[in-house]
Parts: sequence; structure tokens; C-alpha cells
Amino acid sequence: DGGITQSPKYLFRKEGQNVTLSCEQNLNHDAMYWYRQDPGQGLRLIYYSQIVNDFQKGDIAEGYSVSREKKESFPLTVTSAQKNPTAFYLCASSRTVDYSNQPQHFGDGTRLSIL
Amino acid sequence: QQQVKQSPQSLIVQKGGISIINCAYENTAFDYFPWYQQFPGKGPALLIAIRPDVSEKKEGRFTISFNKSAKQFSLHIMDSQPGDSATYFCAASKRANNLFFGTGTRLTVIP
Repeated sequence: DGGITQSPKYLFRKEGQNVTLSCEQNLNHDAMYWYRQDPGQGLRLIYYSQIVNDFQKGDIAEGYSVSREKKESFPLTVTSAQKNPTAFYLCASSRTVDYSNQPQHFGDGTRLSIL
Repeated sequence: QQQVKQSPQSLIVQKGGISIINCAYENTAFDYFPWYQQFPGKGPALLIAIRPDVSEKKEGRFTISFNKSAKQFSLHIMDSQPGDSATYFCAASKRANNLFFGTGTRLTVIP
């Protein structure tokens, strides 16, 4: 089955620690996205990538970093600079960044908590 | 500031009733308005979407109504079922730019 796989499902971070969230897609999509979901705030865009080796900051990129070395993979690192990392993180992909014609498909998320 | 305002925050409807969720936006450059459905512990899934050149779009029991002059759009779920209980998000974007999401509506359909 084609889809987006996020791992792990649950993740715990200690103070001062960087953690990396995995996102893999086998849909052959060019564009990939990372969102943060907090209760009562909807989804907010962290980073997105239109092609390999290129990515752009979203609305809340501070304290996060990404890489796009392969088309199918778009890992997100939550750095120690992100002071409030507790949230539900969602990865998405679409055939192109023009998702008015190519809808975004979402993974099932990673829930990150602080120890 | 919130680009898309969504209401109500939560909604309880009897089985067989109509669920209505409303959204409003300010940016007149938006040209794509999708609705997503999210079940607990899962990612959102695209439910239905509309462009501003039409006033209504229907897919099964789900209908989007769009009022361009008022800059409002709404989701109507006819004959609501317990399986429709989920969180619904509206969103808006200008082609090839960021999707801006509403804050979500938690729908509970009582049997």
C-alpha cells in the first residue's frame, strides 16, 4: 500500500536533547511538509520541501531543522532550542506544491513529549 | 494572526441530524478551500474541497457552501452518523502557497 510512514509513534525528549522524527513516503511525491498540531490551534507549517536538496521555512521554523537527501524521506529534528516541543507532529506529501490540484496526504503522526 | 477562523469549537448532533461547521477568511487571494477529517491518533484526511468559482459542492452526505462576498464557507454533513464523530478542519490557500488551517471542530454524533 502506498502511503506515508511516520516513526516513532511516541517520542520523549530530555532537556537539552535533539530528537529526530522520521517521515518516509512511497507515493513518489515531490513535495513534503512538516506540521505541528497543538490543541485548539489547528495545524501550523514548520518546513516544506518541493524537491530533493531544497526546503523552505514555514510559519514556525525556529527550533527545528530538516533535510531532504532523498525524495522519499524528510526527517525533522527538534533541537534543544525549541523550548516548547510537546505537540503532535504530522508529515504530509503531495505530488507538487500546487496542492489545489494535488491534495496533501498525511501520515499518522508522532507525539512528542518532554521528560 | 489566524488566517482562517473556524466555529464552533465543538458540536454535538443527534444521529440523522445535520452538522454545520463554519469558516471565515480575510485574504481575498485564497483560491482553494479544503476540508479535512481527523480521527484520534491519525493524520487528517482530505474530505472535500472547493474553488471560489462555484457556490456549492456536494459529495455524498458532505456539502461545502461557499459565499465569496462574505468570505465564508461551511461544511454541512447530512444524516450525521456516529462514524462521522471526528475533528474537522477547514483550510485555505493561494495556489502553490501555504495551506492555512482553522482551529478545528470536534464533532460528536450521538446514537
